[in-house]
This record gives sequence, structure tokens and C-alpha cells, in this order.
Amino acid sequence: GQQVMQIPQYQHVQEGEDFTTYCNSSTTLSNIQWYKQRPGGHPVFLIQLVKSGEVKKQKRLTFQFGEAKKNSSLHITATQTTDVGTYFCAGPYAGNQFYFGTGTSLTVIP
Amino acid sequence: EAQVTQNPRYLITVTGKKLTVTCSQNMNHEYMSWYRQDPGLGLRQIYYSMNVEVTDKGDVPEGYKVSRKEKRNFPLILESPSPNQTSLYFCASSPSGGILTYEQYFGPGTRLTVT
Repeated sequence: GQQVMQIPQYQHVQEGEDFTTYCNSSTTLSNIQWYKQRPGGHPVFLIQLVKSGEVKKQKRLTFQFGEAKKNSSLHITATQTTDVGTYFCAGPYAGNQFYFGTGTSLTVIP
Repeated sequence: EAQVTQNPRYLITVTGKKLTVTCSQNMNHEYMSWYRQDPGLGLRQIYYSMNVEVTDKGDVPEGYKVSRKEKRNFPLILESPSPNQTSLYFCASSPSGGILTYEQYFGPGTRLTVT
């Protein structure tokens, strides 16, 4: 089946350091979504990217969609303890089915 | 309040005892989906539904059934649960599926343990 891989699987950073997670799809995506899941919580939608090469920013978070629409990244500048959680990318396949990445668990050390 | 609800939130059961996890959304969403979350594997889609009476298999449908008789409800049925179905389950809904995908709203999750 389709594969959506994310690296790294885990990341520990000191508060104030930057963080990046990368998402790679085995096939081209029509769009990509990013979700955040706090410990013990449920995934919450962050953003959707649609266009090739698209870059979107939300305060300290920067999202990129690759030119080939097969990869994406999420970069957090100057992490805070509120950024703790697992970040997932997700994309639709065959229009209706959704594949989530394996997730990157972020720990922020105060 | 717009939300997706799931019941029960926690369930411990024994192998072979049929169970149903309910899911309901109050946002008039057409698309609904079930996922299971396991460590290191992310979320994997079990079944999804584009609209009432329209359901289809996701990536890991074996051992599960669903139905969509009403737009708001999308129950997940395990006819004969086995220990490998021990997992955290999430229901999600979205205004629509297809090419124009929208954000998915997730329920709080159901932690199932099968002994």
C-alpha cells in the first residue's frame, strides 16, 4: 500500500531550539495536511498545503510542500514547552482514503 | 459545540466477545472515518464513509465492520475481537472527502484492550 514516512521518530530539544520534521510519500499527493497530538489527546488539524512548493506560516511554525508534491516539512522556530506533542502529516490517496505519517514525537526540555 | 463523540472511552474485553464503539458528529459532515493508532505506526485508516450508506475499506479493515445508516453516526463493530486489535481508536469526520479534502475533526479516542 501507500507509505508516508516521517523522520525523525523522536526529537528532544532544549526550549528555545529549533525543530524540524520531514514527511515523505511514496506517491504524489494532491494535498498534505499536518496535525498535532498532545500527550493523551487526539489529533488536531494544523494546516493544509495544496500547491507545489507552497510555504505557509503560523507564528513560529513554517510548513512547506515539496515541488514534486511528494514531501513536506514542518519547522518550529524557538520551541516552547507548549509545542510538546506528536506531529503527523497526512495525505489523501485515490481521493477518499487517508494515509497518516508515522509521526514525530517532540519533547521540549525546559 | 461542534464535536465528534465516541463511546466508550475505555474498554477491556475478552477474545471473541462482540463489541461496538459508537461515533457521532454534530457538524453535518459527509465524510467519516475510523483509525487505529499503534506505537511507531502512526494512525492507520480502518474504514471510511463518503456519505450515508457508502462505506469503503481503508488500509487495515480486517476484523472490523462499519455501517452508516444515518449521516451523524458511524459505529465500529468488532464481531470477534482478538488481542491484536488492542489499540487506541479514533473516529474522525470531515465536510467531504474526494479531491477537495478538508480538515478532519477527531473524537477523543477509545482505548480498547482485548485479553
